[in-house]
Amino acid sequence: QSVLTQPPSVSAAPGQKVTISCSGSSSNIENNYVSWYQHLPGTAPKLVIYDNNKRPSGIPDRFSGSKSGTSATLGITGLQTGDEADYYCGTWDSSLSAYVFGTGTKVTVL
Amino acid sequence: QLQLQESGPGLVKPSETLSLTCSVSGGSISSRNYYWGWIRQPPGKGLEWIGSMYYSGSINYNPSLKSRVSISVDTSKNQFSLRLSSVTATDTAVYHCARLNCVGGSCYTFDYWGRGTLVTVSS
Repeated sequence: QSVLTQPPSVSAAPGQKVTISCSGSSSNIENNYVSWYQHLPGTAPKLVIYDNNKRPSGIPDRFSGSKSGTSATLGITGLQTGDEADYYCGTWDSSLSAYVFGTGTKVTVL
Repeated sequence: QLQLQESGPGLVKPSETLSLTCSVSGGSISSRNYYWGWIRQPPGKGLEWIGSMYYSGSINYNPSLKSRVSISVDTSKNQFSLRLSSVTATDTAVYHCARLNCVGGSCYTFDYWGRGTLVTVSS
């Protein structure tokens, strides 16, 4: 059972914006950096955001990240069909001494 | 470009030991500032961290799996391995290997992943 909670699904039309929340606690999100991963089943998960709000090379600026207190948020603007995937937040949990992932959110482009 | 590739049996019997290997290319497993880890995804469920290891021997395991898990590194082959003992059907999952980026001294990001291999536990 994950300690990071995400909405099961979000959806929007092409060109629109979606946001995905990741809710945690003081032992994980509040005091550690958050990463976000894009995953299509059968493929290697891809890092899209690290250190709360930084984008790896090659990730378009349509992807953004933010953090406030015990919650983090991933935003995707100008939604494209290629963005359809499962998205997971992740960080270290200092109380559990474990790396923890969020419950995952499926993004659907209508 | 760093690439990781998992390999190993796709079917394991209950109570036996699951063994997988991750081959790393395009970079050295002995590089400073990087740990090497395993993550799994049971069918229809989310990602679960199994454990991570530094090439020199420092290891962290998920407390929920610690009694059954072993991760090792073979620097001569640029590979690292996972062993999970006493498996049951609940260990059926896609197993991914990944690099954990610890640049700056803090490890919060898996920056390169393998595509994963399905391991089914069944008699």
